[in-house]
Amino acid sequence: GAVVSQHPSWVICKSGTSVKIECRSLDFQATTMFWYRQFPKQSLMLMATSNEGSKATYEQGVEKDKFLINHASLTLSTLTVTSAHPEDSSFYICSARVGGNENSPLHFGNGTRLTVT
Amino acid sequence: AQSVAQPEDQVNVAEGNPLTVKCTYSVSGNPYLFWYVQYPNRGLQFLLKYITGDNLVKGSYGFEAEFNKSQTSFHLKKPSALVSDSALYFCAVRDRKAAGNKLTFGGGTRVLVKP
Repeated sequence: GAVVSQHPSWVICKSGTSVKIECRSLDFQATTMFWYRQFPKQSLMLMATSNEGSKATYEQGVEKDKFLINHASLTLSTLTVTSAHPEDSSFYICSARVGGNENSPLHFGNGTRLTVT
Repeated sequence: AQSVAQPEDQVNVAEGNPLTVKCTYSVSGNPYLFWYVQYPNRGLQFLLKYITGDNLVKGSYGFEAEFNKSQTSFHLKKPSALVSDSALYFCAVRDRKAAGNKLTFGGGTRVLVKP
């Protein structure tokens, strides 16, 4: 089955530094990937839609300059949290859909737990 | 706008008993509906989906869900729960009329199956 690999699985960083999270589709090509954020005991909130070869589409309220998304190839999207602050601590999850069929389910990475100290 | 509600934060059930996790949705058109399960510190795993056709959908690990248009519901069910079914379950919806591929997730329901 389709596999989405997310790295790292957890990261601790100091306030003011930047952190890059990678999302790879291992056995399929993904022209579109989705980045979600999940707070403890809460649902997933879509942050942005990552489009291969073009700019990401950000949801309302998400700072594009703070959460930089790059989708440089059909199998890799990266999310960089710039100048991280403790309030950015969260569980970040990426997902991708196999093929262009909108009815296909999303395949999720295992998530990255970010802790900013 | 599309939305989905999971009215129960937590469901407790004894192993071997039936399990039901409730989900209701709101869309302007017709819905695409999905159920996902999340284990601790992991991403979400797809369980099943309703696109069209039979209202009763069968999915992974013995789960099924019934689409009820009149009640705008898509409850997840399993006839006999296992301790290993303990996890966080999310219902998700997408309006067929909505542009883009965005799914809206419910708040999640934690299922605890006791031996």
